[in-house]
Amino acid sequence: GAGVSQSPRYKVAKRGQDVALRCDPISGHVSLFWYQQALGQGPEFLTYFQNEAQLDKSGLPSDRFFAERPEGSVSTLKIQRTQQEDSAVYLCASSFGTGGPYTQYFGPGTRLLVL
Amino acid sequence: KQEVTQIPAALSVPEGENLVLNCSFTDSAIYNLQWFRQDPGKGLTSLLLIQSSQREQTSGRLNASLDKSSGRSTLYIAASQPGDSATYLCAVPGAGSYQLTFGKGTKLSVIP
Repeated sequence: GAGVSQSPRYKVAKRGQDVALRCDPISGHVSLFWYQQALGQGPEFLTYFQNEAQLDKSGLPSDRFFAERPEGSVSTLKIQRTQQEDSAVYLCASSFGTGGPYTQYFGPGTRLLVL
Repeated sequence: KQEVTQIPAALSVPEGENLVLNCSFTDSAIYNLQWFRQDPGKGLTSLLLIQSSQREQTSGRLNASLDKSSGRSTLYIAASQPGDSATYLCAVPGAGSYQLTFGKGTKLSVIP
């Protein structure tokens, strides 16, 4: 496909479970971003990869959140010991270049509900 | 820290009306601003990207303006249609200049 894809689209987890969210960026895109969107809010930045290098993880809310992009393409966001406050939509975006002028293309998101 | 505010939070208009959505940001040292559309349960679709050197950008019935000095942008939608119903978000580059800082969005409903 031509766009950014994410899986699963929906995930229900019991509090304390670990979850893994996958992002397939547009082929050839160097930059990859993860955002968290709470209900009724705009997306908030979590972390940024340039190829396989994680250059910024300042937005990750706690050390329970971990992201990787080992081969510079697919990325996984892992949340350990999920809490109810982790319930949100997790959006992945990719862009062709690095830095700001490049349009970010967003995936459909993974809607996570922690019970 | 960059903060982005969008007014109004929600807007309902009859079909055919022209409308304006507003976005303001606190740090005017930006080099671009983007407007996105988000449909329920969907991701974000980029509508327009305005570089700091530009004052306006147009795409079809959409026109976005940028006034860096005053920290404001507007999205003008002409001859609104029911298919325009969605949440519209504006975003500017954040502290790292690569990640985006978003407003909370304006939820638009166009009534047939």
